[in-house]
Amino acid sequence: EDQVTQSPEALRLQEGESSSLNCSYTVSGLRGLFWYRQDPGKGPEFLFTLYSAGEEKEKERLKATLTKKESFLHITAPKPEDSATYLCAGLWETSGSRLTFGEGTQLTVNP
Amino acid sequence: ETGVTQSPTHLIKTRGQQVTLRCSSQSGHNTVSWYQQALGQGPQFIFQYYREEENGRGNFPPRFSGLQFPNYSSELNVNALELDDSALYLCASSLAAGYGYTFGSGTRLTVV
Repeated sequence: EDQVTQSPEALRLQEGESSSLNCSYTVSGLRGLFWYRQDPGKGPEFLFTLYSAGEEKEKERLKATLTKKESFLHITAPKPEDSATYLCAGLWETSGSRLTFGEGTQLTVNP
Repeated sequence: ETGVTQSPTHLIKTRGQQVTLRCSSQSGHNTVSWYQQALGQGPQFIFQYYREEENGRGNFPPRFSGLQFPNYSSELNVNALELDDSALYLCASSLAAGYGYTFGSGTRLTVV
């Protein structure tokens, strides 16, 4: 079964303290790896799509990278407004257009 | 460019009742997917519609059904509601399968 596993489940950082979130995925047949941000009570907000190992994408303080077996979301000098749940999702050749999500990492950035 | 809009935002229903949730997809998007998100979990795929036809279904019983209209808006219907159906229901639209999916803010359904 195609799946993604995110770690850690929760992460607390001080403002300015950089860190990374991890997403490991089923390798065979991956078509795309997606990162979303979700605020409480809201729908996921699209951040990045990665398609091949070695690919990197950046947006403000966030950078997503993809290796042959996992993806990282690096957060540089985070601010309190970066507090949210970050979701990783995969799309596989065998699953059509179904996104399979991980359980998410709940990030809290303290001022 | 308008995003994905869902209605209603909140809903309380009694066990055994039926519910219809609505979604207007982003302009130009012809593919609509529905997801169920229980508290503290990632979204789970319910089904997807492409040009008014169901184009994939997750592990949900037949009492979960849907429609897509010619203007690409969509409905999710759930019959014989159960307590476990309480969740955030998310609609997502995309230009085509495999492209970025834009999510709406969701409908929070509570079954009592």
